[in-house]
Amino acid sequence: EPEVTQTPSHQVTQMGQEVILRCVPISNHLYFYWYRQILGQKVEFLVSFYNNEISEKSEIFDDQFSVERPDGSNFTLKIRSTKLEDSAMYFCASSEEGAGGRFFGPGTRLTVL
Amino acid sequence: AQSVTQPDIHITVSEGASLELRCNYSYGATPYLFWYVQSPGQGLQLLLKYFSGDTLVQGIKGFEAEFKRSQSSFNLRKPSVHWSDAAEYFCAVGASGTYKYIFGTGTRLKVLA
Repeated sequence: EPEVTQTPSHQVTQMGQEVILRCVPISNHLYFYWYRQILGQKVEFLVSFYNNEISEKSEIFDDQFSVERPDGSNFTLKIRSTKLEDSAMYFCASSEEGAGGRFFGPGTRLTVL
Repeated sequence: AQSVTQPDIHITVSEGASLELRCNYSYGATPYLFWYVQSPGQGLQLLLKYFSGDTLVQGIKGFEAEFKRSQSSFNLRKPSVHWSDAAEYFCAVGASGTYKYIFGTGTRLKVLA
């Protein structure tokens, strides 16, 4: 069964450093997403990406965040200058259609020290 | 404001007992509704979804959910719970015209042997 994969599974970084979280969506999916889940809190939408551009973003997704699909398979989330409050589990997801159910990856746990 | 409420933070049931997890939503548009399950250390797995049509939807792992527009609810049910169902369950809502899903805070299910 096809699945979304994410690397690394755990990333530890110093405050102010840049991090790139990587995702490989399901191959025939056209819509890609990033969500985050701060420990003990609800899953929050960050951004959706379709046709090589951001289609929607939340208020959380400020100028410190960017997304990219550098090639035909990878989808990345970059945080330019990490803050303590960026510590969270980051989930990548993909879907065949914009309204379709999202298929989530296992997540990357980001710890900012 | 758009919101999803899962009133039960924790639920404990005995193996073999029936299960109902509650989800209420507040959404201006006709909602798309989803249930996801998250096992410890894992990503979110889509259990079932409702877009339109038959208000009783069947999902994977023996789960079903019923959309009740008059009550703004989308409760998840399973007639006989297995120990492997112990996990956290999230209700989510989306709609046409937006890629953003709103998640509930989750219900953690514990299954007693």
